[in-house]
Amino acid sequence: DTGVSQNPRHKITKRGQNVTFRCDPISEHNRLYWYRQTLGQGPEFLTYFQNEAQLEKSRLLSDRFSAERPKGSFSTLEIQRTEQGDSAMYLCASSPRGGRHTDTQYFGPGTRLTVL
Amino acid sequence: AQKVTQAQTEISVVEKEDVTLDCVYETRDTTYYLFWYKQPPSGELVFLIRRNSFDEQNEISGRYSWNFQKSTSSFNFTITASQVVDSAVYFCALSELVTGGGNKLTFGTGTQLKVEL
Repeated sequence: DTGVSQNPRHKITKRGQNVTFRCDPISEHNRLYWYRQTLGQGPEFLTYFQNEAQLEKSRLLSDRFSAERPKGSFSTLEIQRTEQGDSAMYLCASSPRGGRHTDTQYFGPGTRLTVL
Repeated sequence: AQKVTQAQTEISVVEKEDVTLDCVYETRDTTYYLFWYKQPPSGELVFLIRRNSFDEQNEISGRYSWNFQKSTSSFNFTITASQVVDSAVYFCALSELVTGGGNKLTFGTGTQLKVEL
């Protein structure tokens, strides 16, 4: 079983540009989460999908952020008009529904965003 | 609101010493999960353990052991005979049920463990 994968691993962009990140969850995991981690802090929840439905969004997710999970497989997180405060590690996690490991979130390697 | 406190910002030990990482949590939920994750320098969060709030039995896995005490809202993690490869940031996390049955995690600020020769 391959783990959660994220692309790109690193992204450097200029303020005001749009960026998009991709997450491929563990196959057959129907729950997918996005978190953001800044230096010296723990990850903070951004949003949650069950299959293709986005069921929960944090107030941290401003209007400039949008996430999708078409067909309930991979997910994308887009940030429009990036700001320097968006610089962080963006982490994706997936979990199965049911079974021994239900509700255990397995994380990908993250995408490190630097906004200049 | 959910809260997780890891009061130890950084711990340094010499290899083969035992070390305990503290975690204290706050929640109004009666059913929840507690987790520990390891984040090595590579950055990827590695799952270590999940504990259900109804299960207060302590657990041992190799050199790792966990002490869950609901009465004090603590879920501490002990590494026995530490090794250099244990050097990492360790996060404690608390789950909260969200719409559709998923669980969003609230993390502590982490404890940086440095194991030296």
